[in-house]
Amino acid sequence: GAVVSQHPSRVICKSGTSVKIECRSLDFQATTMFWYRQFPKQSLMLMATSNEGSKATYEQGVEKDKFLINHASLTLSTLTVTSAHPEDSSFYICSAITGGVGEKLFFGSGTQLSVL
Amino acid sequence: QKEVEQDPGPLSVPEGAIVSLNCTYSNSAFQYFMWYRQYSRKGPELLMYTYSSGNKEDGRFTAQVDKSSKYISLFIRDSQPSDSATYLCAIKAGNMLTFGGGTRLMVKP
Repeated sequence: GAVVSQHPSRVICKSGTSVKIECRSLDFQATTMFWYRQFPKQSLMLMATSNEGSKATYEQGVEKDKFLINHASLTLSTLTVTSAHPEDSSFYICSAITGGVGEKLFFGSGTQLSVL
Repeated sequence: QKEVEQDPGPLSVPEGAIVSLNCTYSNSAFQYFMWYRQYSRKGPELLMYTYSSGNKEDGRFTAQVDKSSKYISLFIRDSQPSDSATYLCAIKAGNMLTFGGGTRLMVKP
């Protein structure tokens, strides 16, 4: 099946630093990618929809200046957590839609962010 | 009322049991139905997808869709401890994808 690669899988950083998370579709082109946040034992929370070549669409309550999304190519979207603080510590997951007939949604393996 | 409802569980069953996981939805425009399995601290893994009412089988997994009742199910036969995970239903209409809250399943040896 289609593969979505997410990197890094885990990052620990100091408060105030910025962290970039990459999401790549390895064997298909993804016009649309999604970024989620998940707290322990809770469901996925959609943060934003990333469209190649255009600005991301953020969900209500998600700070676009805090969570910068760039979808510069059909196979790569990045999420940058700017000036991270301990409350930003969470599990971040990306996903991508294959497109075409019978389109399916595949997820990356997730990134555990810990801000000290 | 949420667009997609899913019992959070936890659902605890003995090894070998048949497991039934369910979701109900309210929007009749939903067209594509997917089931994901998520292990702790991992991204969700696509298990099954279907577009029409009826059953679709893949190994020990059977996905069932009843559009008239707006009800979807995932059955797991001969459940194994390795099936212990959170199962998420996802339903799509156009560009809108809606997830259930997930059901935590525990299969005890």
